[in-house]
Amino acid sequence: DAMVIQNPRYQVTQFGKPVTLSCSQTLNHNVMYWYQQKSSQAPKLLFHYYDKDFNNEADTPDNFQSRRPNTSFCFLDIRSPGLGDAAMYLCATSRDERLVQETQYFGPGTRLLVL
Amino acid sequence: AQSVTQPDIHITVSEGASLELRCNYSYGATPYLFWYVQSPGQGLQLLLKYFSGDTLVQGIKGFEAEFKRSQSSFNLRKPSVHWSDAAEYFCAAQGNQGGKLIFGQGTELSVKP
Repeated sequence: DAMVIQNPRYQVTQFGKPVTLSCSQTLNHNVMYWYQQKSSQAPKLLFHYYDKDFNNEADTPDNFQSRRPNTSFCFLDIRSPGLGDAAMYLCATSRDERLVQETQYFGPGTRLLVL
Repeated sequence: AQSVTQPDIHITVSEGASLELRCNYSYGATPYLFWYVQSPGQGLQLLLKYFSGDTLVQGIKGFEAEFKRSQSSFNLRKPSVHWSDAAEYFCAAQGNQGGKLIFGQGTELSVKP
């Protein structure tokens, strides 16, 4: 089945130690999104890629970076995680942001714990 | 500013009872509307979506939603709730020219036996 896959499902890191979260998709979608979701809150968009074009949200801290080496994979890098970065990180995809009536498909998420 | 509001933070219903989760939006023009469900520790699963046409939309797991332009609402309903429906439900909207998905704050549904 075509899907959005996130690895690992749970990640523990130390304060200040760089961490990378991974997302892959078999949907062949052009757009990949990264969201941060803190406990009991709505998902918050960090950034997205339309193909190779990176689009950062204005309020996303510089501590968060992303890479998309090919259509299928997208990575979220947190350069120096703080305690406030502990959250669920959700990856999502959609076919093409230039099209309207597009649906975003979400992966299962990676829960990040910062010690 | 564009926004989505879910007035109820937490709802508890008895198994077998009917359910209605409220969602209101504030947009310049009618947006595209979505309902997602999130089980504990999981990602978001799309329940249903409204783009245009028939204002009563059928989704998965027996859910439906009704778009009411006059009330700027897109409420989610289910006639008979099952214990497995206990989860967090998010309403979301997207402008009809595309763009960012705006989420409501979510409604947590508890189901009692």
